[in-house]
Amino acid sequence: KQEVTQIPAALSVPEGENLVLNCSFTDSAIYNLQWFRQDPGKGLTSLLLIQSSQREQTSGRLNASLDKSSGRSTLYIAASQPGDSATYLCAGSSNTGKLIFGQGTTLQVKP
Amino acid sequence: GAGVSQSPRYKVAKRGQDVALRCDPISGHVSLFWYQQALGQGPEFLTYFQNEAQLDKSGLPSDRFFAERPEGSVSTLKIQRTQQEDSAVYLCASSLGREPSSQYFGPGTRLTVL
Repeated sequence: KQEVTQIPAALSVPEGENLVLNCSFTDSAIYNLQWFRQDPGKGLTSLLLIQSSQREQTSGRLNASLDKSSGRSTLYIAASQPGDSATYLCAGSSNTGKLIFGQGTTLQVKP
Repeated sequence: GAGVSQSPRYKVAKRGQDVALRCDPISGHVSLFWYQQALGQGPEFLTYFQNEAQLDKSGLPSDRFFAERPEGSVSTLKIQRTQQEDSAVYLCASSLGREPSSQYFGPGTRLTVL
């Protein structure tokens, strides 16, 4: 059974710092790995999708990597801004698309 | 273009009442997913449709939960005889094709059972 774990559960950094969020999964038969952002009381916004044949994806200040052999994905945020404050969720998908989520990392970027 | 919409956004039910939650996916999206998110937790899978066919309902917590997508577009999640542990945010997501791809989420319905 696929299990997804995110470390740390919460993170507080000053504005401008580069930071890394970690995600680990137990089943290397993961199909895709998707990173989401969730603001309080809101739905999920897709940030990056890494397909099984890929190792990383980049969008603006965000870079996500996937290492299936070690069961890990990281989300790198460069030059963090207060507007980046949110909960970040990673999710692995099965071959049907069903997502298994981690519990999230709540990020606070202080001005 | 319009994203995934859900209604109602908030629902308060007395224990024992039946509720129906609606999801309007992105037009043309074949796959539709329902998830349940408890406070402070990540979403958990409930059920999955491909067009009108419910291909996976392994995540439905009990037989009080029922989902349908009769015409392959709008979906309804119904919870019968609600209980306090059903209180959660119910999220709907859709994706374009049959193959796993980016899922686009609606804003969710926050259900509170008193």
